[in-house]
Amino acid sequence: GAGVSQSPSNKVTEKGKDVELRCDPISGHTALYWYRQSLGQGLEFLIYFQGNSAPDKSGLPSDRFSAERTGGSVSTLTIQRTQQEDSAVYLCASSLVSVLVTGGTDTQYFGPGTRLTVL
Amino acid sequence: DAKTTQPTSMDCAEGRAANLPCNHSTISGNEYVYWYRQIHSQGPQYIIHGLKNNETNEMASLIITEDRKSSTLILPHATLRDTAVYYCIVRVPGGNYQLIWGAGTKLIIKP
Repeated sequence: GAGVSQSPSNKVTEKGKDVELRCDPISGHTALYWYRQSLGQGLEFLIYFQGNSAPDKSGLPSDRFSAERTGGSVSTLTIQRTQQEDSAVYLCASSLVSVLVTGGTDTQYFGPGTRLTVL
Repeated sequence: DAKTTQPTSMDCAEGRAANLPCNHSTISGNEYVYWYRQIHSQGPQYIIHGLKNNETNEMASLIITEDRKSSTLILPHATLRDTAVYYCIVRVPGGNYQLIWGAGTKLIIKP
């Protein structure tokens, strides 16, 4: 079946502009995650959505970052007044959540990412 | 801080088995071992996970020591397309969903 998709694949913007990044999770996956990865670094957690629960925003680096998930499916990550240090690959992942099932797992499946370059 | 340690890099000849080690000496009883890989310029790809029994799927095998303090990911017949950074992660399913990534192992498959 279709995996996680993200758009755009590449985004170049000027410092101070706002950007929106989109994520389409795997159909039926109730959990959605945003991470970012700076060049040569590991993944940095940003935000987590699970069903209708309030999202975990603890990883967002500043109030310029926000995300929403409409209808429990598609998510948009918005960065306002972009800065050069925001340049990174932004990755989205989705998973089932089967915590009530003994031995169940919530393996995260990742999209291809959006490469953001702030000039 | 990452809870796993892996070698920085490894080489393997094409067609041979690639064995990637991971130490997780502080793993707790309910933590699983997950392996992901990231091919250059792509998103991370899930490979396999396990608790204490050895696991095998179409991509790889996972061997976990009896004391669970280390594990080995085995790619049985490595191809050039297996060149990637391989990440070993320990976590409780349904627990902390933030995947804690270490530096991983850069695996280079040579023709």
